[in-house]
Amino acid sequence: KAGVTQTPRYLIKTRGQQVTLSCSPISGHRSVSWYQQTPGQGLQFLFEYFSETQRNKGNFPGRFSGRQFSNSRSEMNVSTLELGDSALYLCASSLGPNTGELFFGEGSRLTVL
Amino acid sequence: TQLLEQSPQFLSIQEGENLTVYCNSSSVFSSLQWYRQEPGEGPVLLVTVVTGGEVKKLKRLTFQFGDARKDSSLHITAAQPGDTGLYLCAGAQNAGNMLTFGGGTRLMVKP
Repeated sequence: KAGVTQTPRYLIKTRGQQVTLSCSPISGHRSVSWYQQTPGQGLQFLFEYFSETQRNKGNFPGRFSGRQFSNSRSEMNVSTLELGDSALYLCASSLGPNTGELFFGEGSRLTVL
Repeated sequence: TQLLEQSPQFLSIQEGENLTVYCNSSSVFSSLQWYRQEPGEGPVLLVTVVTGGEVKKLKRLTFQFGDARKDSSLHITAAQPGDTGLYLCAGAQNAGNMLTFGGGTRLMVKP
């Protein structure tokens, strides 16, 4: 059974640009969550999607957005990139919205120059 | 402000030693999970505890959830180099998959 797949694994952008990250959950999993991991702040919740609907949103500015498609795949977008957006962005899938048990992908490492 | 405080932040021990990692909060959690993360990979779920006072064992790892569901501990017996990694506790305060993570404990076990 394939795990959570995130693309791209690594990317470099410059300030002001925008980026889109993709996540394919484990087959049969319908809930997708996104987290940002940095050395200073650790893992912080971005948002959670289930059945194409955003269920929860973390304390991040509106430049961070996401969506989920009918096949449960999810994308997140960050616009007007800032240096502080450099981080490992982790996607996690779970069977449903209330399991609380997450299966993480390997992450997309974003560097903003 | 970290809702979940993990200690210690760093731990370097010799193979065969025992260790305990703590995860503390002033908030009550409906469930608490422990993850291990290795370089270049995402966190991997080790265990979920949901009942106050619950103790779970996974081979040499023992997890405990505090009676008040505000704290947890992870104890490793006879640590091995393969236990090296970043250990993260994460709590859920309501329904859903929105987890609050602790800052992590970076463990190094030397052979």
